[in-house]
Amino acid sequence: KQEVTQIPAALSVPEGENLVLNCSFTDSAIYNLQWFRQDPGKGLTSLLLIQSSQREQTSGRLNASLDKSSGRSTLYIAASQPGDSATYLCAVKDSARQLTFGSGTQLTVLP
Amino acid sequence: NAGVMQNPRHLVRRRGQEARLRCSPMKGHSHVYWYRQLPEEGLKFMVYLQKENIIDESGMPKERFSAEFPKEGPSILRIQQVVRGDSAAYFCASSHESGTGSYEQYFGPGTRLTVT
Repeated sequence: KQEVTQIPAALSVPEGENLVLNCSFTDSAIYNLQWFRQDPGKGLTSLLLIQSSQREQTSGRLNASLDKSSGRSTLYIAASQPGDSATYLCAVKDSARQLTFGSGTQLTVLP
Repeated sequence: NAGVMQNPRHLVRRRGQEARLRCSPMKGHSHVYWYRQLPEEGLKFMVYLQKENIIDESGMPKERFSAEFPKEGPSILRIQQVVRGDSAAYFCASSHESGTGSYEQYFGPGTRLTVT
């Protein structure tokens, strides 16, 4: 059964810092991996989708990497801003077709 | 091209009542997934449906919960005789699907169920 772990559970950084969020998964036979953002009491915003054949994806200040063989992904956020404060979720899609989510990293960017 | 739509956005039910949550997938998508987010917990898969078929219901509680995706109309997640522990955010996602399984799932805004 697929399990997804996100480290750290919470992170607080000053504005302007670059930061890395980590995601690991137990079964490397995945179709894709997706990073989401969730604001308190709100829905999910998809940030980046990486297919199993890809190594990384970039969107603006965000860069996500995937090392399928080691079961790891990172989300890199450059020049963080207070508006980046949210919970970031990692999810993998495997042969079961469902998404398995991590518990998330709660990010606070201090002005 | 409208995204995934869910209604109602907020639903309040008293213990013992029934809750019906609706999900309209993106145009052209024939696969629907339901996920539940309990307070202070992560999102958990509940059920995966195609039109008129339940493909995987391994995440559904054995009692009181059912789901359908008819040939016409939205997918419905039905909770009978709700209890306080059913209070959660329920998210629906839709996708194309294929043998490769690589298609992205697109999420709706969720329905927040409160049981009083």
